[in-house]
Amino acid sequence: QKEVEQNSGPLSVPEGAIASLNCTYSDRVSQSFFWYRQYSGKSPELIMSIYSNGDKEDGRFTAQLNKASQYVSLLIRDSQPSDSATYLCAVTGGGGAQKLVFGQGTRLTINP
Amino acid sequence: DAGVIQSPRHEVTEMGQEVTLRCKPISGHDYLFWYRQTMMRGLELLIYFNNNVPIDDSGMPEDRFSAKMPNASFSTLKIQPSEPRDSAVYFCASSLTSYNEQFFGPGTRLTVL
Repeated sequence: QKEVEQNSGPLSVPEGAIASLNCTYSDRVSQSFFWYRQYSGKSPELIMSIYSNGDKEDGRFTAQLNKASQYVSLLIRDSQPSDSATYLCAVTGGGGAQKLVFGQGTRLTINP
Repeated sequence: DAGVIQSPRHEVTEMGQEVTLRCKPISGHDYLFWYRQTMMRGLELLIYFNNNVPIDDSGMPEDRFSAKMPNASFSTLKIQPSEPRDSAVYFCASSLTSYNEQFFGPGTRLTVL
Protein backbone atom coordinates (compact mmCIF):
# COMPACT_ATOMS: atom_id res chain seq x y z
CA GLN A 1 0.00 0.00 0.00
CA LYS A 2 1.33 3.42 -0.95
CA GLU A 3 1.89 5.78 1.94
CA VAL A 4 -0.14 8.60 0.37
CA GLU A 5 -2.73 7.83 -2.28
CA GLN A 6 -4.56 10.14 -4.64
CA ASN A 7 -6.76 9.57 -7.63
CA SER A 8 -4.49 10.53 -10.53
CA GLY A 9 -7.41 11.84 -12.57
CA PRO A 10 -7.73 13.65 -14.82
CA LEU A 11 -10.58 15.34 -12.98
CA SER A 12 -12.64 17.60 -15.18
CA VAL A 13 -14.89 20.26 -13.60
CA PRO A 14 -16.92 23.02 -15.24
CA GLU A 15 -16.01 26.61 -14.46
CA GLY A 16 -17.81 27.91 -11.39
CA ALA A 17 -18.42 24.46 -9.91
CA ILE A 18 -16.82 22.89 -6.83
CA ALA A 19 -13.75 20.73 -7.40
CA SER A 20 -13.19 18.01 -4.80
CA LEU A 21 -9.78 16.39 -4.43
CA ASN A 22 -9.18 13.46 -2.11
CA CYS A 23 -6.20 11.87 -0.41
CA THR A 24 -5.71 8.94 1.95
CA TYR A 25 -2.61 8.15 3.98
CA SER A 26 -1.36 5.05 5.74
CA ASP A 27 0.65 6.37 8.71
CA ARG A 28 -1.89 6.70 11.52
CA VAL A 29 0.33 9.02 13.56
CA SER A 30 0.87 11.57 10.79
CA GLN A 31 0.63 15.08 12.17
CA SER A 32 0.89 17.60 9.34
CA PHE A 33 -0.96 17.68 6.04
CA PHE A 34 -0.42 19.90 3.02
CA TRP A 35 -1.87 20.57 -0.39
CA TYR A 36 0.44 21.81 -3.11
CA ARG A 37 -0.51 23.04 -6.57
CA GLN A 38 1.86 22.42 -9.47
CA TYR A 39 1.44 24.00 -12.86
CA SER A 40 3.06 22.23 -15.79
CA GLY A 41 6.78 22.95 -15.84
CA LYS A 42 6.72 24.76 -12.50
CA SER A 43 7.57 23.88 -8.92
CA PRO A 44 5.04 22.81 -6.28
CA GLU A 45 3.39 25.78 -4.58
CA LEU A 46 1.87 25.45 -1.12
CA ILE A 47 -1.80 26.37 -1.03
CA MET A 48 -3.10 24.86 2.22
CA SER A 49 -1.83 23.29 5.42
CA ILE A 50 -3.94 21.59 8.08
CA TYR A 51 -2.91 20.06 11.38
CA SER A 52 -6.09 19.20 13.28
CA ASN A 53 -9.37 17.46 12.50
CA GLY A 54 -12.05 19.50 10.82
CA ASP A 55 -12.18 22.15 8.14
CA LYS A 56 -9.83 25.00 7.35
CA GLU A 57 -10.90 27.66 4.90
CA ASP A 58 -8.75 30.11 2.95
CA GLY A 59 -10.55 32.08 0.29
CA ARG A 60 -11.98 29.66 -2.28
CA PHE A 61 -10.05 26.75 -0.78
CA THR A 62 -11.18 24.47 2.06
CA ALA A 63 -9.06 21.66 3.46
CA GLN A 64 -10.76 18.91 5.42
CA LEU A 65 -8.98 16.45 7.71
CA ASN A 66 -10.34 13.28 9.29
CA LYS A 67 -7.57 11.52 11.19
CA ALA A 68 -9.80 8.62 12.25
CA SER A 69 -10.44 7.79 8.60
CA GLN A 70 -6.90 8.83 7.55
CA TYR A 71 -8.39 11.09 4.94
CA VAL A 72 -7.69 14.63 3.81
CA SER A 73 -9.46 16.53 1.07
CA LEU A 74 -9.34 19.85 -0.74
CA LEU A 75 -12.39 21.68 -2.01
CA ILE A 76 -12.08 24.49 -4.53
CA ARG A 77 -15.20 26.65 -4.79
CA ASP A 78 -16.10 28.73 -7.83
CA SER A 79 -13.47 26.90 -9.90
CA GLN A 80 -11.59 29.02 -12.41
CA PRO A 81 -9.61 27.96 -15.50
CA SER A 82 -6.50 29.19 -13.66
CA ASP A 83 -7.09 26.41 -11.11
CA SER A 84 -6.20 23.84 -13.78
CA ALA A 85 -3.08 22.16 -12.44
CA THR A 86 -1.86 19.05 -10.66
CA TYR A 87 -2.65 19.00 -6.95
CA LEU A 88 -0.27 17.14 -4.66
CA CYS A 89 -1.23 15.88 -1.23
CA ALA A 90 1.69 15.69 1.22
CA VAL A 91 1.89 14.20 4.69
CA THR A 92 4.60 14.28 7.35
CA GLY A 93 5.24 11.26 9.52
CA GLY A 94 4.52 10.99 13.20
CA GLY A 95 6.70 9.68 16.00
CA GLY A 96 9.47 12.13 15.23
CA ALA A 97 9.66 11.34 11.53
CA GLN A 98 10.31 14.46 9.52
CA LYS A 99 9.92 13.41 5.92
CA LEU A 100 7.24 14.86 3.70
CA VAL A 101 5.65 12.08 1.65
CA PHE A 102 3.85 13.14 -1.51
CA GLY A 103 1.02 11.47 -3.36
CA GLN A 104 1.25 11.05 -7.10
CA GLY A 105 -1.00 14.07 -7.62
CA THR A 106 -4.42 14.64 -9.19
CA ARG A 107 -4.57 16.46 -12.50
CA LEU A 108 -7.46 18.93 -12.44
CA THR A 109 -8.91 20.61 -15.53
CA ILE A 110 -11.46 23.42 -15.24
CA ASN A 111 -13.53 23.73 -18.40
CA PRO A 112 -14.71 27.25 -19.37
CA ASP B 1 12.58 37.22 0.92
CA ALA B 2 13.75 35.91 -2.44
CA GLY B 3 12.55 32.39 -1.78
CA VAL B 4 14.56 29.25 -2.47
CA ILE B 5 17.09 29.79 -5.24
CA GLN B 6 18.39 27.02 -7.46
CA SER B 7 20.98 26.96 -10.22
CA PRO B 8 21.27 26.14 -12.98
CA ARG B 9 17.67 26.08 -14.17
CA HIS B 10 18.50 23.76 -17.03
CA GLU B 11 21.43 21.41 -17.48
CA VAL B 12 22.18 19.24 -20.47
CA THR B 13 25.17 16.95 -20.19
CA GLU B 14 26.54 13.76 -21.61
CA MET B 15 26.61 10.43 -19.90
CA GLY B 16 29.61 10.05 -17.64
CA GLN B 17 29.98 13.75 -16.88
CA GLU B 18 29.82 15.23 -13.40
CA VAL B 19 26.78 17.37 -12.61
CA THR B 20 26.50 19.79 -9.70
CA LEU B 21 23.20 21.36 -8.71
CA ARG B 22 23.08 24.27 -6.28
CA CYS B 23 20.56 25.56 -3.78
CA LYS B 24 20.21 28.55 -1.49
CA PRO B 25 17.44 28.05 1.09
CA ILE B 26 15.24 30.74 2.58
CA SER B 27 17.17 32.61 5.24
CA GLY B 28 16.42 31.33 8.73
CA HIS B 29 15.07 27.96 7.61
CA ASP B 30 16.67 25.10 9.50
CA TYR B 31 15.70 22.30 7.12
CA LEU B 32 16.75 21.74 3.52
CA PHE B 33 15.41 19.01 1.29
CA TRP B 34 16.43 17.67 -2.11
CA TYR B 35 13.75 16.03 -4.27
CA ARG B 36 13.66 14.44 -7.70
CA GLN B 37 10.54 14.42 -9.87
CA THR B 38 9.85 12.16 -12.82
CA MET B 39 6.64 11.19 -14.57
CA MET B 40 7.04 7.57 -13.55
CA ARG B 41 7.99 7.97 -9.89
CA GLY B 42 6.52 11.34 -8.98
CA LEU B 43 8.19 13.50 -6.35
CA GLU B 44 10.80 11.59 -4.34
CA LEU B 45 12.79 12.80 -1.35
CA LEU B 46 16.50 12.18 -1.87
CA ILE B 47 18.07 13.64 1.27
CA TYR B 48 17.42 16.28 3.89
CA PHE B 49 19.54 18.38 6.24
CA ASN B 50 18.85 19.92 9.61
CA ASN B 51 21.15 22.79 10.60
CA ASN B 52 23.57 21.78 7.82
CA VAL B 53 23.80 18.16 9.01
CA PRO B 54 22.52 15.35 6.75
CA ILE B 55 19.74 13.55 8.63
CA ASP B 56 18.37 11.01 6.18
CA ASP B 57 19.90 10.07 2.85
CA SER B 58 17.96 6.84 2.37
CA GLY B 59 16.38 8.23 -0.77
CA MET B 60 19.68 8.76 -2.56
CA PRO B 61 19.52 6.24 -5.38
CA GLU B 62 23.17 5.23 -5.62
CA ASP B 63 26.67 6.11 -4.54
CA ARG B 64 26.91 8.25 -7.67
CA PHE B 65 24.77 10.80 -5.81
CA SER B 66 26.17 12.94 -3.02
CA ALA B 67 24.98 16.07 -1.24
CA LYS B 68 26.64 18.61 0.99
CA MET B 69 25.62 21.64 2.99
CA PRO B 70 28.76 23.53 4.01
CA ASN B 71 26.81 26.39 5.57
CA ALA B 72 23.26 27.53 6.31
CA SER B 73 22.86 29.31 2.99
CA PHE B 74 24.21 26.82 0.46
CA SER B 75 23.81 23.19 -0.54
CA THR B 76 24.93 21.10 -3.50
CA LEU B 77 23.74 17.87 -5.04
CA LYS B 78 26.33 16.14 -7.16
CA ILE B 79 25.98 13.27 -9.59
CA GLN B 80 29.17 11.60 -10.72
CA PRO B 81 29.13 9.95 -13.19
CA SER B 82 25.78 10.92 -14.62
CA GLU B 83 23.57 8.47 -16.53
CA PRO B 84 20.57 8.98 -18.85
CA ARG B 85 18.22 7.58 -16.16
CA ASP B 86 19.18 10.51 -13.93
CA SER B 87 17.26 12.83 -16.25
CA ALA B 88 14.59 14.49 -14.11
CA VAL B 89 13.66 17.73 -12.45
CA TYR B 90 15.53 18.24 -9.18
CA PHE B 91 13.93 20.46 -6.57
CA CYS B 92 15.36 21.96 -3.44
CA ALA B 93 12.99 22.96 -0.64
CA SER B 94 13.41 24.51 2.80
CA SER B 95 11.30 24.76 5.93
CA LEU B 96 11.46 26.50 9.27
CA THR B 97 10.93 23.34 11.31
CA SER B 98 10.33 19.70 10.52
CA TYR B 99 6.54 20.00 10.74
CA ASN B 100 6.19 23.29 8.94
CA GLU B 101 5.44 23.91 5.31
CA GLN B 102 8.19 23.31 2.81
CA PHE B 103 8.85 25.96 0.19
CA PHE B 104 10.21 24.81 -3.14
CA GLY B 105 12.73 26.37 -5.45
CA PRO B 106 12.11 26.62 -9.21
CA GLY B 107 13.94 23.35 -9.89
CA THR B 108 16.74 22.24 -12.18
CA ARG B 109 15.74 20.31 -15.27
CA LEU B 110 18.55 17.82 -15.90
CA THR B 111 18.94 16.01 -19.20
CA VAL B 112 21.66 13.40 -19.52
CA LEU B 113 22.28 12.34 -23.10
